[in-house]
Amino acid sequence: DAGVTQSPTHLIKTRGQQVTLRCSPKSGHDTVSWYQQALGQGPQFIFQYYEEEERQRGNFPDRFSGHQFPNYSSELNVNALLLGDSALYLCASSLGHGSSYNSPLHFGNGTRLTVT
Amino acid sequence: AQSVTQLDSQVPVFEEAPVELRCNYSSSVSVYLFWYVQYPNQGLQLLLKYLSGSTLVESINGFEAEFNKSQTSFHLRKPSVHISDTAEYFCAVSDDRNTDKLIFGTGTRLQVFP
Repeated sequence: DAGVTQSPTHLIKTRGQQVTLRCSPKSGHDTVSWYQQALGQGPQFIFQYYEEEERQRGNFPDRFSGHQFPNYSSELNVNALLLGDSALYLCASSLGHGSSYNSPLHFGNGTRLTVT
Repeated sequence: AQSVTQLDSQVPVFEEAPVELRCNYSSSVSVYLFWYVQYPNQGLQLLLKYLSGSTLVESINGFEAEFNKSQTSFHLRKPSVHISDTAEYFCAVSDDRNTDKLIFGTGTRLQVFP
């Protein structure tokens, strides 16, 4: 039973560039959430996708955007990268929109993004 | 807005000693509380959760946490730790059962020494 998989594992980008991170949810899950974990901090919620639509968004600028595909996989896009975007980006999946009450979040191992 | 405070950034203990990792949250009418563990170079794994009912919740590997509404706390405890418990522990809260948006604390690094 494959868990949440994320690619790539590491990425180095230059300030001003754009980046795309990818996530495949755990088998049977249909909801994907993205979190940003800066060094020494707890994860911060970016947004959540369900039925190919953004359902909820955290306090992140429009430079952060996403997409969910019919197979439930998801992408996180960040434009005009800033040094402060350097972080571990975590993808989490669950079954059913807003279901952490009944279906716990399953996290991937993350993508480490470094912006130079 | 909901917030979570983990009072200790690091907790060093010797193997087989008891440990308590502290977590406090801002008050809310209803709240759902979680503890996640993060081993090096891995994602977060759910350790235990409080949704309703009994205020004492347990995990399969010997951890327990008690929901204390009057003190707005959800401290994590284990009576005897192992080397393998060395990890980062995050407390998280949600005040909406219809969301996957969790508010995380800044984490507590548990270091178990032989």
